[in-house]
Amino acid sequence: EVQLVESGGGLVQPGGSLRLSCAASEFTFSNSWMHWVRQAPGKGLVWVSRINTDGSSTSYADSVKGRFTISRDNAKNTLNLQMNSLRGEDTAVYYCARAPGQWLVYGMDVWGQGTTVTVSS
Amino acid sequence: QSVLTQPPSASGTPGQRVTISCSGSSSNIGSNTVNWYQQLPGTAPKLLIYSNKQRPSGVPDRFSGSKSGTSASLAISGLQSDDEADYHCAAWDDSLNGVLFGGGTKLTVL
Repeated sequence: EVQLVESGGGLVQPGGSLRLSCAASEFTFSNSWMHWVRQAPGKGLVWVSRINTDGSSTSYADSVKGRFTISRDNAKNTLNLQMNSLRGEDTAVYYCARAPGQWLVYGMDVWGQGTTVTVSS
Repeated sequence: QSVLTQPPSASGTPGQRVTISCSGSSSNIGSNTVNWYQQLPGTAPKLLIYSNKQRPSGVPDRFSGSKSGTSASLAISGLQSDDEADYHCAAWDDSLNGVLFGGGTKLTVL
């Protein structure tokens, strides 16, 4: 079964760091653009970051630029999100998602179950 | 513009047809394709429509999408109780060099 499984969420103090991971299985991970999307409690979906197939190109939402870093390890079929200088407004469920095409032409067709990040003292 | 504009709520009775709108600008919907996602309570989003009007395998043809200029719509016909969910539109934004989502529309089946 094609699957994405996130891990690494938890409770962290403001200013702290957290590293999220997303393990991919049953598809050719190295052929897929990948995204992180988050959802604050009771709110809508917000795009966080994306990375191209070989990791050479990334982009970020303005709200996380300079604090978050997306990366991937195609040998391990793993997507990562390093989150530094965390703020209360970063509290959310974080989803990783697969995008078969570059410009979202085919949408985000596989989503993980999400991992919860809570930033609080 | 930081989000695409959707109505916060919509409703209908079983069997009815409902539409949900999504408004954007020239840098997103006006120049890129629109996707729609369904999010049932407590679950991850699921791709419902891609490339404005295409349905992934397994999505019933009761769901249809359209786009005109800088706006898009999702139509659900033959409304069923298990269609009760949040619906999100999304599009690539050339200015942002990233993805914009709508604020989401909560659909209630009365």
